[in-house]
Amino acid sequence: KNEVEQSPQNLTAQEGEFITINCSYSVGISALHWLQQHPGGGIVSLFMLSSGKKKHGRLIATINIQEKHSSLHITASHPRDSAVYICAVRGAGNMLTFGGGTRLMVKP
Amino acid sequence: DSGVTQTPKHLITATGQRVTLRCSPRSGDLSVYWYQQSLDQGLQFLIQYYNGEERAKGNILERFSAQQFPDLHSELNLSSLELGDSALYFCASADGGRASYNEQFFGPGTRLTVL
Repeated sequence: KNEVEQSPQNLTAQEGEFITINCSYSVGISALHWLQQHPGGGIVSLFMLSSGKKKHGRLIATINIQEKHSSLHITASHPRDSAVYICAVRGAGNMLTFGGGTRLMVKP
Repeated sequence: DSGVTQTPKHLITATGQRVTLRCSPRSGDLSVYWYQQSLDQGLQFLIQYYNGEERAKGNILERFSAQQFPDLHSELNLSSLELGDSALYFCASADGGRASYNEQFFGPGTRLTVL
């Protein structure tokens, strides 16, 4: 079993829909990151969380430390949100362990 | 633009060869991380340097080595290349150290193809 599991692996949505991507982890962590990788390959850090909730524009990230679970929500989704979203946890030694990614396609 | 630069963008080479990938961190960042993204393994942490010293080691093969120079740029050396080494190699920088909770900024990556 992987230390970091994401669901779903693939997600197709219509423009305007509310989207949720889930991340579960099995190890103790000091922080959790959500990353976005565009089709060209570049990676952008969206959020870094150690507790609670963060919001940036239409993106919201939450984490429940007790349940070892985080969610990334996208409100009013848009085709430009199409990308791979990757959850990564920071464990011992400041290392990041990555989930397998969720490939999101938002259709107009 | 994250402020992290990587060269070259693309690299095509043959099995058995050796290559060097270069990363320049954001101005002021002391930490550099190297990651490998392959089709079958996804993203994996390779190694971290902080202010010239190795700080953490992940799934880095013995054929691979890295260093961080006094000007804080870093190089990842890959030798005796195999077909399976074909991947995207990312570096990221952050301004923290051993117990850093700081965000990492990713470079654009180097796409390595081993033929």
